[in-house]
Amino acid sequence: AQTVTQSQPEMSVQEAETVTLSCTYDTSESDYYLFWYKQPPSRQMILVIRQEAYKQQNATENRFSVNFQKAAKSFSLKISDSQLGDAAMYFCAFRPMDSSYKLIFGSGTRLLVRP
Amino acid sequence: GAVVSQHPSRVICKSGTSVKIECRSLDFQATTMFWYRQFPKQSLMLMATSNEGSKATYEQGVEKDKFLINHASLTLSTLTVTSAHPEDSSFYICSALHGGLFFGSGTQLSVL
Repeated sequence: AQTVTQSQPEMSVQEAETVTLSCTYDTSESDYYLFWYKQPPSRQMILVIRQEAYKQQNATENRFSVNFQKAAKSFSLKISDSQLGDAAMYFCAFRPMDSSYKLIFGSGTRLLVRP
Repeated sequence: GAVVSQHPSRVICKSGTSVKIECRSLDFQATTMFWYRQFPKQSLMLMATSNEGSKATYEQGVEKDKFLINHASLTLSTLTVTSAHPEDSSFYICSALHGGLFFGSGTQLSVL
């Protein structure tokens, strides 16, 4: 069974600085998708970034980028130039390549942004 | 963009009563929707996959008679918590499949 582990329950970053959130996963599959979701206090789940396992190039979305290490089964999220609005829970998620579209979530990391 | 509406956002009910939560895709049709449960300070746990026109597929450990799912149209899936008890109090979130997954805003259920 696939599992997703986020070892950092909480992280803190100074506004305008950079922070990296860690995520590791376990799977025997070679093709899959990985995601980072943001859940602000409103509790609306917002997709931050996604990565296809077959792509070697790390995904980037504006200030958000990932460091995808397939062999190490690691998928960290880097947030550059942190803003107050980045404060939220961040969930790493795994989806197999099959047709189920089921997401397996990690336990989450709470990001605090200090002004 | 794809919008998923979930209603109600918050509901308080008495123990033993049933509560229905609606999940609607507003600007697209969704043959597949998902229901998640999130306990305080915890992650989202998939409860079931809702398929339009067929029975829902429940994850292991989820009581299908307790959590009734109906996906009667391409834009609406409902989750009914039957004979609710305090331990059913939780945050319930739906998502709809449309290329990617789009989430509703969630429903906080409190059972007294």
